[in-house]
Amino acid sequence: GAGVSQSPSNKVTEKGKDVELRCDPISGHTALYWYRQSLGQGLEFLIYFQGNSAPDKSGLPSDRFSAERTGGSVSTLTIQRTQQEDSAVYLCASSLDLTPAAGYTFGSGTRLTVV
Amino acid sequence: RKEVEQDPGPFNVPEGATVAFNCTYSNSASQSFFWYRQDCRKEPKLLMSVYSSGNEDGRFTAQLNRASQYISLLIRDSKLSDSATYLCVGYGGATNKLIFGTGTLLAVQP
Repeated sequence: GAGVSQSPSNKVTEKGKDVELRCDPISGHTALYWYRQSLGQGLEFLIYFQGNSAPDKSGLPSDRFSAERTGGSVSTLTIQRTQQEDSAVYLCASSLDLTPAAGYTFGSGTRLTVV
Repeated sequence: RKEVEQDPGPFNVPEGATVAFNCTYSNSASQSFFWYRQDCRKEPKLLMSVYSSGNEDGRFTAQLNRASQYISLLIRDSKLSDSATYLCVGYGGATNKLIFGTGTLLAVQP
């Protein structure tokens, strides 16, 4: 597609449930990133994928968070046993490669609310 | 200390005013810098890259001072549509990802 697509756009879940968030990057972009943004806060890096290299998972806040990228395209971020502090907007971005001369293009995000 | 720091504002300015935002970064190995704009409840969008020589795009001018580890964004002749949060962003050093400041909120008043 023309842009980065994320689904669902909104997700309300009960504490303790697992959720899956999906990101479909721009075709041809080899680098894919996940960030999250809590209310009134800046963007917090979670994980990135670049081609066939091992992902950089250094930003994942706990082992309840995991992500995968299949076939070098679509990525799924999974949060297990959700907690209220996981409530945030989860943003996916992609770029042609890891040297973002043109910056990243973000999707419109998934707003996760844990009740 | 955060890697990229900004004054959160808000900056309330009248239409037509000139406003300047500043940002400091702590990682001297950072290679590239950007300004992003984020509208309320929307995703961030790239506004412009920042170069040491300074760059201008219409009413917007960005400047990088590596010696002081300082980045600026100047908006001239502010419009109501400029109201948004402006995010200062650094890239590089030991990381291969963009590091975002928490943003400066601009509200342009009629």
